Amino acid sequence: QTVVTQEPSFSVSPGGTVTLTCGLNSGSVSTSHLPSWYQQTPGQTPRTLMYNTNTRSSGVPDRFSGSILGNKAALTITGAQADDESDYYCVLYVTTGIWVFGGGTKLTVL
Amino acid sequence: QVQLVESGGGVVQPGGSLRLSCVASGFTFSISGMHWVRQAPGKGLEWVTFTRYDESHKWYADSVKGRFTISRDNSKNTLYLQMNSLRPEDTAVYYCAKMSIGQSFDLWGQGTLVTVSS
Repeated sequence: QTVVTQEPSFSVSPGGTVTLTCGLNSGSVSTSHLPSWYQQTPGQTPRTLMYNTNTRSSGVPDRFSGSILGNKAALTITGAQADDESDYYCVLYVTTGIWVFGGGTKLTVL
Repeated sequence: QVQLVESGGGVVQPGGSLRLSCVASGFTFSISGMHWVRQAPGKGLEWVTFTRYDESHKWYADSVKGRFTISRDNSKNTLYLQMNSLRPEDTAVYYCAKMSIGQSFDLWGQGTLVTVSS
């Protein structure tokens, strides 16, 4: 069974930088998994932040960036703001026709 | 206005059935791959199923395979999810989502709540 792993929670100070990661229990994440990232605040629908590893979705500020770090996909927020406090989900396209979400990271800005 | 609007959620007993609908507007639905994604109360997102624009290929998560069926009517700009043999663990908000470049999800509906309980 394919499991996509994310840190359950993370904390960052306002103005600080944080990197959230997205791993795969069966091996390394690569660009071929087409990692994408979504932001969700409680009670709201998900918002697309990043696709194709490092392409920002329309309207997403450039303080959000995506990459592959080591064997994981990563989402970095530079200059964190209070309204970045949300849940963040990554998705990996693990094989033809199969997408797997990570368990999500609850980001606190304080 | 570009949007997806789900409907059809409700309370159903274990073993029962329910059909969800998702009406699309503001984009060319007939050439768009479409997903269903769900979120159990207080839990994370879970991909459920996907159909290509022409229904030539459909894929399902193992958790729903054999019980759920995705379909679409491009003449009505509508996506469906037929859910049979429902279990308490199927309780969730069900979102429809449009597939975009890079196999990403770029448009989400507001979701419809399905509760499986006796």
